[in-house]
Amino acid sequence: AQSVSQHNHHVILSEAASLELGCNYSYGGTVNLFWYVQYPGQHLQLLLKYFSGDPLVKGIKGFEAEFIKSKFSFNLRKPSVQWSDTAEYFCASHSGNTPLVFGKGTRLSVIA
Amino acid sequence: NAGVMQNPRHLVRRRGQEARLRCSPMKGHSHVYWYRQLPEEGLKFMVYLQKENIIDESGMPKERFSAEFPKEGPSILRIQQVVRGDSAAYFCASSLPTGQETQYFGPGTRLLVL
Repeated sequence: AQSVSQHNHHVILSEAASLELGCNYSYGGTVNLFWYVQYPGQHLQLLLKYFSGDPLVKGIKGFEAEFIKSKFSFNLRKPSVQWSDTAEYFCASHSGNTPLVFGKGTRLSVIA
Repeated sequence: NAGVMQNPRHLVRRRGQEARLRCSPMKGHSHVYWYRQLPEEGLKFMVYLQKENIIDESGMPKERFSAEFPKEGPSILRIQQVVRGDSAAYFCASSLPTGQETQYFGPGTRLLVL
């Protein structure tokens, strides 16, 4: 069965700091990977996704993620965070037309 | 193009009552997924439906929970005889019918059982 692990439960950063959120998945076959963001009181929004091709994926709002197959990882990065990036970030995977398997999420707090 | 719609956004029920949560997928999407988010946890898959068919209900509790996606109208997640442990946010997502498609999420229904 697929599973997704997110290493950090809560990350606190100052504005302009660089961000990297870890995500590891466990599935040996072809897998699609996603990062979703959930702002306080809002629904999940897709930040970026990887299906195939270039392992470095650019998303919205300056986010990017790198698929490293050998490490089963899909870490999310942003070079300089803003206060408005305060949210919960979820990594998810699925294979084919199957339901998404989510990590437990990482809460990001950006302070001025 | 409207996104995934869910209603109600907030629902309060007393123990033993029934809760009905509705989800209208994005236009052109015929696949619907329901997920539950408990406090401090990620989303957990519940059920996957196509029009008039349940494809995968491996995440649904065996009792009190049911889901449908009729030919006409929204998908319904029904919880009978609610208990306090059912309090959670319930999210619906939809996708296109072809394989390996991105799922787009609705705003969720936050259920509180008193």
